[in-house]
Amino acid sequence: GQNIDQPTEMTATEGAIVQINCTYQTSGFNGLFWYQQHAGEAPTFLSYNVLDGLEEKGRFSSFLSRSKGYSYLLLKELQMKDSASYLCAGGDSWGKLQFGAGTQVVVTP
Amino acid sequence: DTAVSQTPKYLVTQMGNDKSIKCEQNLGHDTMYWYKQDSKKFLKIMFSYNNKELIINETVPNRFSPKSPDKAHLNLHINSLELGDSAVYFCASSQGQRNTEAFFGQGTRLTVV
Repeated sequence: GQNIDQPTEMTATEGAIVQINCTYQTSGFNGLFWYQQHAGEAPTFLSYNVLDGLEEKGRFSSFLSRSKGYSYLLLKELQMKDSASYLCAGGDSWGKLQFGAGTQVVVTP
Repeated sequence: DTAVSQTPKYLVTQMGNDKSIKCEQNLGHDTMYWYKQDSKKFLKIMFSYNNKELIINETVPNRFSPKSPDKAHLNLHINSLELGDSAVYFCASSQGQRNTEAFFGQGTRLTVV
């Protein structure tokens, strides 16, 4: 399975850019997901990468390097509503998602 | 219309009791999951069903028994509840088992006292 490692917390100001890094072990790897979870709410899907490279979706982008077992989520033009936990998750061939502990992003005015 | 709905949203019960959490999805997905999120916010898969068949069964005490009467429903029954079972339980669904996003229900906060 994958061991997912991501920072615990990051703080940034409104309008700034934040990059959340995630490393994983590559055994049985079959794709890398990012989810957003606001306090007390359900996780919601942000992005999925299975091939190397950058996937861009509006203010959010996600990058994957399979050879390095590395991904990042880039949040641009930060807004207060982006304050949330961002979960990196590795998928295996059985469809099992292994989640990291999440990175709490705090956006300050 | 709620895509993945689970009931109840909150559940407070005493140790030793038996309780059930229900989950329904109206997305037409063929795969459903139960996840547990503990106090440290780790989200961990417990079970996965594809077309009513169990395909993932993580190391979960056998006091936890999932049941899928049809592919739109996946219920979770817990026997002899323990303090350590207190957590938020999320139901989720997806179309297919791989390379596909999962849609999560709003969660059931279980507190065992």
